[in-house]
Amino acid sequence: LAKTTQPISMDSYEGQEVNITCSHNNIATNDYITWYQQFPSQGPRFIIQGYKTKVTNEVASLFIPADRKSSTLSLPRVSLSDTAVYYCLVVRVNQGGKLIFGQGTELSVKP
Amino acid sequence: NAGVTQTPKFQVLKTGQSMTLQCAQDMNHEYMSWYRQDPGMGLRLIHYSVGAGITDQGEVPNGYNVSRSTTEDFPLRLLSAAPSQTSVYFCASQWASNQPQHFGDGTRLSIL
Repeated sequence: LAKTTQPISMDSYEGQEVNITCSHNNIATNDYITWYQQFPSQGPRFIIQGYKTKVTNEVASLFIPADRKSSTLSLPRVSLSDTAVYYCLVVRVNQGGKLIFGQGTELSVKP
Repeated sequence: NAGVTQTPKFQVLKTGQSMTLQCAQDMNHEYMSWYRQDPGMGLRLIHYSVGAGITDQGEVPNGYNVSRSTTEDFPLRLLSAAPSQTSVYFCASQWASNQPQHFGDGTRLSIL
């Protein structure tokens, strides 16, 4: 099952754009890339999902290069409330959509 | 719409006791999963189900049983609790394999 590699932690300041890059070298043709956010004492929450190129929603953008071996989550103008752990995952659609979580990136946003 | 509901929220057990963690969803999702999360770690998949009557093992299935008799419910059973099963347990559901998973608020389980 696909494990991903991402930085353990990142620091940022309010108002800055934050980019978190994830490596998924063994991604398969039918796999999707998805990102979740988790606050302490809560379950993960879906942020964004994509297959290739660029996906944008109201909270984030996801950039996926042509080889799909990496992806970058972009959070525009972060605030203190964006302090959380961010997980990059590969969705194995052909295996029932199972998610295999890595350690995630702990993002700390400072005033 | 309640989403994914997990009960209980907290539980303390003694070694060797049995317990069932309940998970219910009201979104008519076919896919449901159980995860555990240990301190400072990501979630690990225990068991999952792609529909009523169908279950399969995840990364860490030992010590846990599941069944899926209805679309709405996916209980997780600990037959003989061990201290190593102290963790936070999350249940999730999704409409299809390429759709986002919706997580419950978790059950915090301590085994003494």
